[in-house]
Amino acid sequence: EPEVTQTPSHQVTQMGQEVILRCVPISNHLYFYWYRQILGQKVEFLVSFYNNEISEKSEIFDDQFSVERPDGSNFTLKIRSTKLEDSAMYFCASTIAGQTYEQYFGPGTRLTVT
Amino acid sequence: SQQGEEDPQALSIQEGENATMNCSYKTSINNLQWYRQNSGRGLVHLILIRSNEREKHSGRLRVTLDTSKKSSSLLITASRAADTASYFCAPVGSARQLTFGSGTQLTVLP
Repeated sequence: EPEVTQTPSHQVTQMGQEVILRCVPISNHLYFYWYRQILGQKVEFLVSFYNNEISEKSEIFDDQFSVERPDGSNFTLKIRSTKLEDSAMYFCASTIAGQTYEQYFGPGTRLTVT
Repeated sequence: SQQGEEDPQALSIQEGENATMNCSYKTSINNLQWYRQNSGRGLVHLILIRSNEREKHSGRLRVTLDTSKKSSSLLITASRAADTASYFCAPVGSARQLTFGSGTQLTVLP
């Protein structure tokens, strides 16, 4: 069964450094998402991406964040200058169409900012 | 907000028993989705029920939806230790993103 993959599984970085989290959505899916989950807290929406542009974003997704689909398979989340509070699990998800279909989540990348 | 609120917050049952979780929401919806999350792992989609459906089954899962009461329930029959996880409902309206609540933490004791 097709699945969403994410790399790396765990990323440790120092405060102020840039990180890029990578995701490979399911191949025929058209909508892509990033969510994050701070330890012990709810899963929070960050951004959705369709047709090579951001379609929706949350208040969390400020100028420090950016997303890109550099080729036909990868979907990336970049954090330009990491802060301690960016430490969280970051989940990528994709869906074949819009909100009428289920989302498929990747296993997540655990980001630790020291 | 299209966030759902799950109830109870925690549920502990014996293997073989049924588990029922409830979800309430506030906005009109297109569909409502249930997800499971094992500790520290990604979310797994369980079942989607559309606003014009009242009940849906998938294996040991049964979901009901009452749009007049803005509520849904998830029943897991004959539970197994492997069902131990957090369960979330996600009511979906006009926004494409999912908004998750705190979930129901289900513990199935062997």
